[in-house]
Amino acid sequence: QKEVEQNSGPLSVPEGAIASLNCTYSDRGSQSFFWYRQYSGKSPELIMFIYSNGDKEDGRFTAQLNKASQYVSLLIRDSQPSDSATYLCADRPGGGNKLTFGTGTQLKVEL
Amino acid sequence: DGGITQSPKYLFRKEGQNVTLSCEQNLNHDAMYWYRQDPGQGLRLIYYSQIVNDFQKGDIAEGYSVSREKKESFPLTVTSAQKNPTAFYLCASSTARIDPGEQYFGPGTRLTVT
Repeated sequence: QKEVEQNSGPLSVPEGAIASLNCTYSDRGSQSFFWYRQYSGKSPELIMFIYSNGDKEDGRFTAQLNKASQYVSLLIRDSQPSDSATYLCADRPGGGNKLTFGTGTQLKVEL
Repeated sequence: DGGITQSPKYLFRKEGQNVTLSCEQNLNHDAMYWYRQDPGQGLRLIYYSQIVNDFQKGDIAEGYSVSREKKESFPLTVTSAQKNPTAFYLCASSTARIDPGEQYFGPGTRLTVT
């Protein structure tokens, strides 16, 4: 069974700090990786995806991928209380059409 | 307004009854997916469909059935054979023109079976 692992948290950071969310995956054949944000009681929404080793930046968000270490991370700069949510990491194993999701990391941004 | 709709938002059923959850999209997406989410858990794939009149089992298909007679619609039936049906059910869609992992989710249906 291909797996995506995340620390469930909660991860607490002060407002304005950098939040760092981490994820490891087991399928070396995975080619694409995704970060979804899920507010409590709501459905997930896609915030970032990354295919290549290195960093990908979009506004306050940076996704980092290291395929050798099978490691994906999401950095949120200048964290805001509105960033408080659960962040789900997912990969697309073997290049297929299905995603494998991690259990999510709960982020709390405190005033 | 393009998007995915799921109805109803909350659904209550007695044990032993089948129940059908609706999912409709007007995004013109080819692929549609059904996930289940339990408290504190990630999403687990129940069924998915990449094209009309075709669908595949996901990781937890037992006790569920689907149909895909129209591109816009992908209803999920939770049968009485599903041992633990109470959960948050999410429908999603994606297009082959972008990565299948770029999925758009509906608002979800919370099913409670007593």
